[in-house]
Amino acid sequence: GEDVEQSLFLSVREGDSSVINCTYTDSSSTYLYWYKQEPGAGLQLLTYIFSNMDMKQDQRLTVLLNKKDKHLSLRIADTQTGDSAIYFCAESKNAGNNRKLIWGLGTSLAVNP
Amino acid sequence: EAGVTQFPSHSVIEKGQTVTLRCDPISGHDNLYWYRRVMGKEIKFLLHFVKESKQDESGMPNNRFLAERTGGTYSTLKVQPAELEDSGVYFCASTEQSGLGYTFGSGTRLTVV
Repeated sequence: GEDVEQSLFLSVREGDSSVINCTYTDSSSTYLYWYKQEPGAGLQLLTYIFSNMDMKQDQRLTVLLNKKDKHLSLRIADTQTGDSAIYFCAESKNAGNNRKLIWGLGTSLAVNP
Repeated sequence: EAGVTQFPSHSVIEKGQTVTLRCDPISGHDNLYWYRRVMGKEIKFLLHFVKESKQDESGMPNNRFLAERTGGTYSTLKVQPAELEDSGVYFCASTEQSGLGYTFGSGTRLTVV
């Protein structure tokens, strides 16, 4: 079945690291994504990882993928108040040209000064 | 490069009325997707166009929803007649031929009263 789960809320202090977790059920997923939605804005692609990778790092962002446990995490180092947003985990299959996304509910990250 | 543009940004209509949402994708992007987020639920796929053709419309809720993509450029999503459960945020996204890395619009918030 298709199911992506995330915890709904996370609160951290400015300067700490944030870790947002996601689990998915479909082992045939080929790409896993993290999107960010700031208040009043659209969905912004933060990063994605191909299913044959374990880790991907991009500046303050680190994505870890445990394919065996179907667990994906997003670590934000030195979290800033501007990182406050909703973070969505999503998966897609390589269904030809149709990479429709299956989404989690989103994790609302609050960064406290 | 202009991003994905959606309008209106907000629409409040009465039950039974008709509403048409519009999406202008990034120029040259063959793939265009519609997604919807109903309050408290996950973002759900509605349909996918490749140029002017509907590639996958498996997520369309019912026949009150009609999507078109004239000449493979902009797309419209018409809801007729609107029901209360149609309220939510409708997102449009476009991608290049490879299909990775969606660019989303800011969404249209539809409220049916």
